[in-house]
Amino acid sequence: NAGVTQTPKFRVLKTGQSMTLLCAQDMNHEYMYWYRQDPGMGLRLIHYSVGEGTTAKGEVPDGYNVSRLKKQNFLLGLESAAPSQTSVYFCASSRRTSGSYNEQFFGPGTRLTVL
Amino acid sequence: AQSVAQPEDQVNVAEGNPLTVKCTYSVSGNPYLFWYVQYPNRGLQFLLKYITGDNLVKGSYGFEAEFNKSQTSFHLKKPSALVSDSALYFCAVRDRTPYNTDKLIFGTGTRLQVFP
Repeated sequence: NAGVTQTPKFRVLKTGQSMTLLCAQDMNHEYMYWYRQDPGMGLRLIHYSVGEGTTAKGEVPDGYNVSRLKKQNFLLGLESAAPSQTSVYFCASSRRTSGSYNEQFFGPGTRLTVL
Repeated sequence: AQSVAQPEDQVNVAEGNPLTVKCTYSVSGNPYLFWYVQYPNRGLQFLLKYITGDNLVKGSYGFEAEFNKSQTSFHLKKPSALVSDSALYFCAVRDRTPYNTDKLIFGTGTRLQVFP
């Protein structure tokens, strides 16, 4: 069981370039999330998905797009990268909520630098 | 809106001494509270949660947290700190999405440094 994996681990972009971050989970979880982590700000939710083909905006969605074509994968896209998007990006997944809270499992993160 | 606050950016403690990492919350309704830990260059790992029941919650790696409703606090504690406990600790509270699913609202994090 690999859990939640993220590709790539590191990336450096120039302003205006585009890229896609891939998150994959092998736990058959329904819910998936993308967060960004910035110093002094904790983790903030970018987008999330409650199932295949369904995505929604979180707290800081501007400049990002997402897709969930397969249940196990959740892609985060940057169409035109900006220096303000320099951050560490974390993907997480959890089971469907059924009365009680289900723990979120996190990937190892992707460190992105935009020059 | 749900929120949590971690008033300390860093906590320093000597190995073997008790440690406390502070968290206060602001919620409407009953709070669902969590602690996560992040070791260097790793993702977040779940430590413990408070949903209902006993105010003292036991979690992984010998950590526990005390829920105090009157003080709206959920402090993380450990009786005897280890150097290997040095990491970044996040408090979080559950919020609901428009899809009636869960999402987490995180605090800003507290760096715990345990000195030998």
